Amino acid sequence: NAGVTQTPKFQVLKTGQSMTLQCAQDMNHNSMYWYRQDPGMGLRLIYYSASEGTTDKGEVPNGYNVSRLNKREFSLRLESAAPSQTSVYFCASSARGIIYEQYFGPGTRLTVT
Amino acid sequence: DAKTTQPPSMDCAEGRAANLPCNHSTISGNEYVYWYRQIHSQGPQYIIHGLKNNETNEMASLIITEDRKSSTLILPHATLRDTAVYYCIVRVAQEAAGNKLTFGGGTRVLVKP
Repeated sequence: NAGVTQTPKFQVLKTGQSMTLQCAQDMNHNSMYWYRQDPGMGLRLIYYSASEGTTDKGEVPNGYNVSRLNKREFSLRLESAAPSQTSVYFCASSARGIIYEQYFGPGTRLTVT
Repeated sequence: DAKTTQPPSMDCAEGRAANLPCNHSTISGNEYVYWYRQIHSQGPQYIIHGLKNNETNEMASLIITEDRKSSTLILPHATLRDTAVYYCIVRVAQEAAGNKLTFGGGTRVLVKP
């Protein structure tokens, strides 16, 4: 039982390049989330998927797209990376309901030059 | 979701209880209090949550005041591994709202030998 896994762990992009961050969970959770964390700051929600087939914007969705590929996988795409997107990206999942805790992955550290 | 206020940092001695305060004076009746922590560079980890009663689990205790405007997370016997940033989060208990979490700045706790 690996929990929440993310790939890659580290990535360096040039401005304007695109990439997809992958996230998978093996806990049969319905809901999945993408957060970003800038240095010295708390996490901010980018997008979430309450259940397979649905996605919704969070607090900071601009510059990102997401795909809920199936129940296990939720990917985050940067179409044209900008230096302002340099951050650590965390994926999380939870059972659907009002009080279920979120389980977080180890993060992807992205630098855009 | 209600806004929370936490001290930016605190130290505590190894083996002693650590008491982490959180103010949420605008909390409404259907909002839960959650605590997460983030050990350096890792994804956040769920600790505990509560609505109005005090709660205890293997990691910590949560004390919520009778008026629910503040709470305290208690780590009963702090160890060096408890050094982390601790986040107090208040969120509405409605499934339609999803399990979205809003992270503030948290309290940076340093456990000293």
